[in-house]
Amino acid sequence: AQSVAQPEDQVKVAEGNPLTVKCTYSVSGNPYLFWYVQYPNRGLQFLLKYITGDNLVKGSYGFEAEFNKSQTSFHLKKPSALVSDSALYFCAVRPPTGRRALTFGSGTRLQVQP
Amino acid sequence: DSGVTQTPKHLITATGQRVTLRCSPRSGDLSVYWYQQSLDQGLQFLIQYYNGEERAKGNILERFSAQQFPDLHSELNLSSLELGDSALYFCASSGENSGNTIYFGEGSWLTVV
Repeated sequence: AQSVAQPEDQVKVAEGNPLTVKCTYSVSGNPYLFWYVQYPNRGLQFLLKYITGDNLVKGSYGFEAEFNKSQTSFHLKKPSALVSDSALYFCAVRPPTGRRALTFGSGTRLQVQP
Repeated sequence: DSGVTQTPKHLITATGQRVTLRCSPRSGDLSVYWYQQSLDQGLQFLIQYYNGEERAKGNILERFSAQQFPDLHSELNLSSLELGDSALYFCASSGENSGNTIYFGEGSWLTVV
């Protein structure tokens, strides 16, 4: 069975500073990895994904994530945080075969301070 | 806008009652997924349908059931509701044109009182 761990419940950064939200995963085979963002009282919005290819993937709103197979990690990054980035971020994994529903991590609340 | 539509957006009902949540997937998507988001359990996968057939089951209670109709819309039925069923219920969809991405609706907020 697949699993995702987001070790930080909350991350605080100052506006303009780089941010990292951590994610590690466990899955059989090559993983399909995703990041979603949830703003208050809103649904889950897709940010970016890694399926295959370049380990650094770019997504919406200036976010990017780095896939590291040896460390089974898929950390979300942004070079310069904005106050409007404050939200709940979820990492998710989808196996390449079998039951292909997403398994989510517990979420990390990002707070960007002015 | 993800293209996934859920109704109702908010629902308040009493314990012991039954409710139906409705979902219209993105145009052309054959797969529909239901998830429950609660404070203590996080995002839990409930069930998946593909082109009308049940494809996978997650942590769905026996009091809950779902179906996908020929026009591909889906309904999640929750019965004998308990206070602990209060949560945000998400529908999501994916298909051949989504590049392995699953897109989520805005969710249906259920409050059981």
